[in-house]
Amino acid sequence: QSALTQPASVSGSPGQSITISCTGTSSDVGSYNLVSWYQQHPGKAPKLMIYEVSKRPSGVSNRFSGSKSGNTASLTISGLQAEDEADYYCCSYAGSSTSWVFGGGTKLTVL
Amino acid sequence: QVQLVQSGAEVKKPGSSVKVSCKASGGTFSSYAISWVRQAPGQGLEWMGRIIPILGIANYAQKFQGRVTITADKSTSTAYMELSSLRSEDTAVYYCASGIGLGGNDAFDIWGQGTMVTVSS
Repeated sequence: QSALTQPASVSGSPGQSITISCTGTSSDVGSYNLVSWYQQHPGKAPKLMIYEVSKRPSGVSNRFSGSKSGNTASLTISGLQAEDEADYYCCSYAGSSTSWVFGGGTKLTVL
Repeated sequence: QVQLVQSGAEVKKPGSSVKVSCKASGGTFSSYAISWVRQAPGQGLEWMGRIIPILGIANYAQKFQGRVTITADKSTSTAYMELSSLRSEDTAVYYCASGIGLGGNDAFDIWGQGTMVTVSS
């Protein structure tokens, strides 16, 4: 199972909005509403930011939102802040035999 | 709040095996899947497999089939990941993760602190 495709890097200025895409196939992103997004700061464990495409766990800022269209999921961060600078990974369920597949990760730089 | 606490760093020789533990505290362990995810230095996240402790059933990513074994001990709320025939490319941080906090298996909201495994001769 190939990894989901994410841009290697994105950047934005404080206060702006950015969107990170995550492209899969009809066997994973396109078939299940089980896409999640993780934020990872250097040397830290990943943190769940979005699950089931667009749901936010308790405690996650409403500046983070998720969506999906066809085989592509997206994470949008509005009102960029310095602390948002991190790596972001998407993840999708891919069926009972494969279970879970991650994207390659996107490095977000806040200019 | 449930926490996952992993065992310490390991240094192994090529061809050997490593077994990493993940102990859950503060909540229900058996009902929810525990997954193992690894991250090689400077690389992305890679799902390896998972187990649902109450069922004792594990499933694995195709890439690791035959080389990884995931088990769980319900009496101690501990999951284990054993990787055999180690090679240098297995050098990575290994995480356990679960959806225990969400009350489901659809995402990973609780993560262990990670265990660094170094494979070197």
